[in-house]
Amino acid sequence: ETGVTQSPTHLIKTRGQQVTLRCSSQSGHNTVSWYQQALGQGPQFIFQYYREEENGRGNFPPRFSGLQFPNYSSELNVNALELDDSALYLCASSLGGTSGSNEQFFGPGTRLTVL
Amino acid sequence: QKEVEQDPGPLSVPEGAIVSLNCTYSNSAFQYFMWYRQYSRKGPELLMYTYSSGNKEDGRFTAQVDKSSKYISLFIRDSQPSDSATYLCAMVLSGNTPLVFGKGTRLSVIA
Repeated sequence: ETGVTQSPTHLIKTRGQQVTLRCSSQSGHNTVSWYQQALGQGPQFIFQYYREEENGRGNFPPRFSGLQFPNYSSELNVNALELDDSALYLCASSLGGTSGSNEQFFGPGTRLTVL
Repeated sequence: QKEVEQDPGPLSVPEGAIVSLNCTYSNSAFQYFMWYRQYSRKGPELLMYTYSSGNKEDGRFTAQVDKSSKYISLFIRDSQPSDSATYLCAMVLSGNTPLVFGKGTRLSVIA
């Protein structure tokens, strides 16, 4: 069974640039959730994808967008980067639907630094 | 008032001590409760997952939920230096809804 993987591990960008982060979900999982974790804080929910459709969104502006692909991998895109976007971005996979559970398994994260 | 309150610490204990970590929450609709362990610069790792009020034990770890008081705890027995990490409590309303996290408590176990 393959766990959740994320790429890249680290990224440095400048203000105004755009970034794409990638996540491969755990084998057998069809739901991917993205979280932002600022230094010294708990993760904050950005959005969730279930079977390629957005299935809930947290309090983040529209410049945060995402995609889920037929193989259930996912991308997080952030446009017009701001200094406050510097954080660890976490992807969590789970099995959604009526037979699913709430157990979400996290990847190692992508550390984004905006200069 | 934040939905989930957790003392950020840091908490420093000697090896072998019993550690008690706690969270309180304000929304009585939360149904499922988790504890995650996060090592520095890594993703959170699911440690414990509970639903009903009461205790759940797994090795050296015991999770306790008191829904009437809106209070959850994680106990670590015979703590080891390898337990040094940040412990995050998290909870969800139902189904595959988003996790709501506490701030995390940073724990150091000193040999």
